[in-house]
Amino acid sequence: EAGVVQSPRYKIIEKKQPVAFWCNPISGHNTLYWYLQNLGQGPELLIRYENEEAVDDSQLPKDRFSAERLKGVDSTLKIQPAELGDSAVYLCASSPGQAMYNEQFFGPGTRLTVL
Amino acid sequence: AQSVAQPEDQVNVAEGNPLTVKCTYSVSGNPYLFWYVQYPNRGLQFLLKYITGDNLVKGSYGFEAEFNKSQTSFHLKKPSALVSDSALYFCAVRDGNRDDKIIFGKGTRLHILP
Repeated sequence: EAGVVQSPRYKIIEKKQPVAFWCNPISGHNTLYWYLQNLGQGPELLIRYENEEAVDDSQLPKDRFSAERLKGVDSTLKIQPAELGDSAVYLCASSPGQAMYNEQFFGPGTRLTVL
Repeated sequence: AQSVAQPEDQVNVAEGNPLTVKCTYSVSGNPYLFWYVQYPNRGLQFLLKYITGDNLVKGSYGFEAEFNKSQTSFHLKKPSALVSDSALYFCAVRDGNRDDKIIFGKGTRLHILP
């Protein structure tokens, strides 16, 4: 079974440029998460989807971040414009359902460097 | 609001010795507790979880964790450490009584010395 796929793995951009990250969850997983992981910290939730609906986006900085999961399968996270402080690893995770006791399956992440 | 603390940034253990990685938590409802491991340039991998029932939970790669309600702890343990256990370990908690996000600790780096 294929795991969670993310691309690109690494991205270097200059500040004020736009950037997009793509995630394909495990087949059949209805719940999809985007996390931000700063160096030396644990992941912090940005947004959670149940199918195509964003059910928790309270931590998403909506002035510059946006996300979509149009068909309830793969998802894109966008930053426009990027700032220096956005340099971090962006993790995507999925789980088979919205039950709170379900474990999450993580992708390898996209490491973003903003110069 | 829920929170989780991993009091040690780093733990060093000699190969073959038992290891413990500490985690304490705070939630208003019933806790769902998780341990994940992260290897370099990889995403997090699920190790084990506590939902209800037996306080001792067994997971992947010989790891186990003990839920202690009175001490609000969920320490990760392994009887005999391997060099390959060296990685970053994250404890996480979710409030079982609310539809709320999972909270991760800041992580503990485990070094197993050959």
